[in-house]
Amino acid sequence: SYALTQPPSVSVAPGQTARITCGGNNIGSKSVHWYQQKPGQAPVLVVYDDSDRPSGIPERFSGSNSENTATLTISRVEAGDEADYYCQVWGSTSDPYVFGPGTRVTVL
Amino acid sequence: QVHLVESGGGVVQPGRSLRLSCAASGFTFTTYPMHWVRQAPGKGLEWVAIISSDGTNKYYADSVTGRFTISRDNSKNILFLQINTLRIEDTAVYYCARHPSSGWYLDYWGHGTLVTVSS
Repeated sequence: SYALTQPPSVSVAPGQTARITCGGNNIGSKSVHWYQQKPGQAPVLVVYDDSDRPSGIPERFSGSNSENTATLTISRVEAGDEADYYCQVWGSTSDPYVFGPGTRVTVL
Repeated sequence: QVHLVESGGGVVQPGRSLRLSCAASGFTFTTYPMHWVRQAPGKGLEWVAIISSDGTNKYYADSVTGRFTISRDNSKNILFLQINTLRIEDTAVYYCARHPSSGWYLDYWGHGTLVTVSS
């Protein structure tokens, strides 16, 4: 099965930039999607197909994907961005929807 | 506005069965595949199952194959998840989510329903 890796935590000061990585073997050949989950709430899609944003998601959220690492970048971080972030890819027919372990973003 | 509301969770003994429901509104339910995803307490997201828009095709995670059954009633805009022979490790919040018209992700999620398996 296809495995994804994420750092357990990222800390960032308000107004700064947070970068959350998602590692996988040749992940650059896959489409990567990112979800934000605030405590006690359902996940929300924030980036799909590597770098597209659903309607209503601020431009501060952006994504990139190359070789073995995909990155979610949150610019001008706000307190409300504090959440767990999960990457997800389509793995294979036997293991289709694969999620990363998640990264907790803490706003200092 | 897409709205997904899960129900049917609760405390259940190991070995028993449970059926979860997800009521959908705000979109044309009959044209979208739908997912179930679960999240054990303090853990990450685990994909469980997907069903095609017409209900004919179903796929499951290896961890639940044989015990879980996904189904849908397109006349009532409801998605179901039948869970049999419940195990302690099935304890989780179960989310239903919509599959977009194109792409391989989940675009809208419900608020989830908690299933606790305990004797």
